[in-house]
Amino acid sequence: EPEVTQTPSHQVTQMGQEVILRCVPISNHLYFYWYRQILGQKVEFLVSFYNNEISEKSEIFDDQFSVERPDGSNFTLKIRSTKLEDSAMYFCASSDYRDQPQHFGDGTRLSIL
Amino acid sequence: AQSVTQLDSQVPVFEEAPVELRCNYSSSVSVYLFWYVQYPNQGLQLLLKYLSGSTLVKGINGFEAEFNKSQTSFHLRKPSVHISDTAEYFCAVSEVGGTNAGKSTFGDGTTLTVKP
Repeated sequence: EPEVTQTPSHQVTQMGQEVILRCVPISNHLYFYWYRQILGQKVEFLVSFYNNEISEKSEIFDDQFSVERPDGSNFTLKIRSTKLEDSAMYFCASSDYRDQPQHFGDGTRLSIL
Repeated sequence: AQSVTQLDSQVPVFEEAPVELRCNYSSSVSVYLFWYVQYPNQGLQLLLKYLSGSTLVKGINGFEAEFNKSQTSFHLRKPSVHISDTAEYFCAVSEVGGTNAGKSTFGDGTTLTVKP
């Protein structure tokens, strides 16, 4: 079965640095998502992306966050100036249509020092 | 807006005993429902999903769940658990249509601990 893949599996970054998390969604999917899970807490929606633009974003997704689909396969989440509280597991997901179930990647654990 | 409530934060159970993890949801439109399992330091693995049709859905690892529309519930069950089932379990809902379509909302999670 096709999978969503995320790289790296673990990213360690100094506070204030920029970080880019990468995702390769399932190839025929059109809708892409990022979620965040702070250690010990629930999974939270960050942003959805379709047709090269953001379709919805949560309150968490402030100006330090951005998403991009730089080519036909990758979907990235950039955090411009990382803060300690950005430490979390970040999950990418994709679906073929807006209403269809999302397929999740294994996540990237982001640790901010 | 949609919401999910997992009624038990922790469920301890002995090996080979049955278990039920409870989930209730709230939504003004039709929904898809999911259960995910997360093992320590790993990602989310889909256990099962309800999209339409039969209200009893079977998933991987011997788990099943029943969609009850009148009670807005989607409880997860397994007749006999193993030590290896120890993990965090998340219930999630995604609206069909409406302004929240395409966004999954997760519950707080239930920690299942299976003891020998």
